[in-house]
Amino acid sequence: DTGVSQNPRHKITKRGQNVTFRCDPISEHNRLYWYRQTLGQGPEFLTYFQNEAQLEKSRLLSDRFSAERPKGSFSTLEIQRTEQGDSAMYLCASSLQPDMDTEAFFGQGTRLTVV
Amino acid sequence: AQSVTQLDSQVPVFEEAPVELRCNYSSSVSVYLFWYVQYPNQGLQLLLKYLSGSTLVKGINGFEAEFNKSQTSFHLRKPSVHISDTAEYFCAVITVLDSGTYKYIFGTGTRLKVLA
Repeated sequence: DTGVSQNPRHKITKRGQNVTFRCDPISEHNRLYWYRQTLGQGPEFLTYFQNEAQLEKSRLLSDRFSAERPKGSFSTLEIQRTEQGDSAMYLCASSLQPDMDTEAFFGQGTRLTVV
Repeated sequence: AQSVTQLDSQVPVFEEAPVELRCNYSSSVSVYLFWYVQYPNQGLQLLLKYLSGSTLVKGINGFEAEFNKSQTSFHLRKPSVHISDTAEYFCAVITVLDSGTYKYIFGTGTRLKVLA
């Protein structure tokens, strides 16, 4: 297993366009997280899936953002009508139940630049 | 709400010198604390974690951290740093979500720069 994989690694888009990112977690992991990291800040929680169910969404996740994990495996994060403030690194992490001490494994992230 | 504070945004240190990266947390419940490292253009990698038991936790790459409940701190230390330790270091705490599961809350990070 090669770990958590995110695609694309970099995305440059014009303001107002839609973008979609993909995350492939470690195969047996049933928990999947999306985080956003802006320059000089730590990662901020966006949303969480347990299998295919989206159980938590941060207030940071406006109605322009939508995330899916249709079969409980890979996940997509879509941003509609992108704004310059959406420029950030989007990180995906996965972990295996059931305990809090289960390490979350992070992907390398997708860096979004909105011009 | 649980949170972590990393007081130092940047820490320059000479190679082979010791280093301490500070982290303070606030929590009213059981605490689970982590240190992650992020190399340029990479994701986060777990260095070490404190869940319970011994307050001195050893991690990868020669790092260790000490959980101090009275001072609500979880400082990261290394006795002798290497150029390759240059990276961003994040302290994190777990918080429980309404769904009963949990998420990580990260600090703002400390950029460690090791100088030759």
